[in-house]
Formats: sequence, C-alpha cells, structure tokens
Amino acid sequence: NAGVTQTPKFQVLKTGQSMTLQCAQDMNHEYMSWYRQDPGMGLRLIHYSVGAGITDQGEVPNGYNVSRSTTEDFPLRLLSAAPSQTSVYFCASSYSGYSNQPQHFGDGTRLSIL
Amino acid sequence: EDQVTQSPEALRLQEGESSSLNCSYTVSGLRGLFWYRQDPGKGPEFLFTLYSAGEEKEKERLKATLTKKESFLHITAPKPEDSATYLCAVQAVRGTGTASKLTFGTGTRLQVTL
Repeated sequence: NAGVTQTPKFQVLKTGQSMTLQCAQDMNHEYMSWYRQDPGMGLRLIHYSVGAGITDQGEVPNGYNVSRSTTEDFPLRLLSAAPSQTSVYFCASSYSGYSNQPQHFGDGTRLSIL
Repeated sequence: EDQVTQSPEALRLQEGESSSLNCSYTVSGLRGLFWYRQDPGKGPEFLFTLYSAGEEKEKERLKATLTKKESFLHITAPKPEDSATYLCAVQAVRGTGTASKLTFGTGTRLQVTL
C-alpha cells in the first residue's frame, strides 16, 4: 500500500521556468490537497479538490494551477517559477473533504528556484 | 479566522524525562483537532484526532488531551526515537456542502537525548 506518492523528491528551477509536481494516491480518497511548508510558518494550503473535476483555492493559490481529472492524481503546476516559491511542497489526501477523517501526507517535493 | 499556536517552539528532554507540548486554538466551531509527527525530510504522519473537550487518546508513550481552548500532547518517559517535530491542526465546522480545511500550527521541535 503506497499511500500518497509525490514526484520528484527534489527539483531546482530557474526563475521563469514552469514545471509540474506530481501527486498520486491509491486509497480511493475523494479529497486531495497541496500545501507548502516554509521555515517558521505552518503548513499553508495552496489548492484542494473534493473530487474528480472539482478544485478550489486555498490560502496561497497565486502562481499555482491544479486540475483533477481522476480520483487518483492531483498535479500542481507552477506556471512561471519565482524565488518566493522556493519551498517544500506536500500533497495530502483524505476520505472526504466534508468529514473529519485525517489527511495522509506524501513525503514532499523540495523545490529551489534560482 | 482559525488560529493555532504551538508552544514551546523547541524542547530538549533527557531520556525518561516526561513533558507536555501545548496547542492553543481559536476556531468558530471545532470539527476535529489533529496531531501529527514529522521527521526530517518526511511528510507529517498522523497520530491522533480529538473531537470534543474532555477526550483523550493514547499511543505508546504519547497521550493527547483536549479542552475548549487547547490541546496537550503528553510524552511519558520519552526515548531518543521520539525526537521529531509535532504538529497540531484544527478543522472547523463549515456549512453543508462546504469543504472543511485544516489550519496548522508551526510545530514543536522535540529532541530527546540519552
């Protein structure tokens, strides 16, 4: 049982480049979300999805796009990378966005923007 | 706006020296309070969910408790393998059909030495 799988684990980009962070879960969870984690700050929600075809913005959505074409996958796209987007990105999933079931996290993608 | 404050920021204990971590929260209506453990280079790992004041949950050397304003994570006779960052998060009650998101604290970094 793999749980939540994120790729790549590390990435270095130049300012202005674009890339997609991949997230897949095999638990048949309806709810998926993306967070960023920065030193001295709690995990902050970027975007989330309550099911295939449905996405919404979180606390810090600017500069990021998401889509949810399947239940299993929830990629995060950086359109034009900026140094302020240097961070560790975590994907999480849970049974439902309307319940109090815990979210399960992947091991993150460490992204540096030069 | 939901808020979570964790204290202390960092805690150093000797093996066997019991202590408590604090999570103070402000939320309009609590759906659930979650404790996670995060090891360096890894994603948060779910520990406990608490739903209502007075509730307690235990797992090995950890016990989580909840009041209307705060939660405590008690660590009894800790071992070096308990060293990690412990994160607290709250989920608020929202209207029907509205996904309920997590608000995280910044964590307590625990180090247990021999």
